[in-house]
Amino acid sequence: GAVVSQHPSWVICKSGTSVKIECRSLDFQATTMFWYRQFPKQSLMLMATSNEGSKATYEQGVEKDKFLINHASLTLSTLTVTSAHPEDSSFYICSARPLNNEQFFGPGTRLTVL
Amino acid sequence: GQNIDQPTEMTATEGAIVQINCTYQTSGFNGLFWYQQHAGEAPTFLSYNVLDGLEEKGRFSSFLSRSKGYSYLLLKELQMKDSASYLCAVRAQAGTALIFGKGTTLSVSS
Repeated sequence: GAVVSQHPSWVICKSGTSVKIECRSLDFQATTMFWYRQFPKQSLMLMATSNEGSKATYEQGVEKDKFLINHASLTLSTLTVTSAHPEDSSFYICSARPLNNEQFFGPGTRLTVL
Repeated sequence: GQNIDQPTEMTATEGAIVQINCTYQTSGFNGLFWYQQHAGEAPTFLSYNVLDGLEEKGRFSSFLSRSKGYSYLLLKELQMKDSASYLCAVRAQAGTALIFGKGTTLSVSS
């Protein structure tokens, strides 16, 4: 089956620093990638939709200048949390969609901001 | 707006059958998904329904009624390892992201 990887799997950073999370589709080309965030005991909330070669579409309430998304190739999307604060601590999960319209999830990245 | 409802918690015993319900109101409908998620891990795909009826996959089955905006996930012969959160998700339009419910935490006891 299709495999999506994320790196790093977990990260701890100081408040005010920036953190980059990578999402890769390992054995297929992903025309679209989605970024979700999940707080403890809550469901996955869509943050943004990223199409290769174009600007990401952000959901209402998600700051595009704080959560920078780059989808430079058909196999890689990155999410950069800029000037991270403790309230940004969460589980970030990406999913990738090939042309056949299925959606495959990465293993997630646990971000802790001190 | 989009709304997906499912019970917050359920408990059951090993060997039993449990049904987790999900109701949805979305701007469109292009498929309903069920995922299993263990704590600290990403969701894993369980089932997909786009037409009315029952889809069976081993111990797990999923049912959909589009006219009622209703689905359920049926888990048979429960095992301790089935203790997890079960997420109902809807895709409103083809190619768009899945919209998730809040998940149902299932606890299976011996």
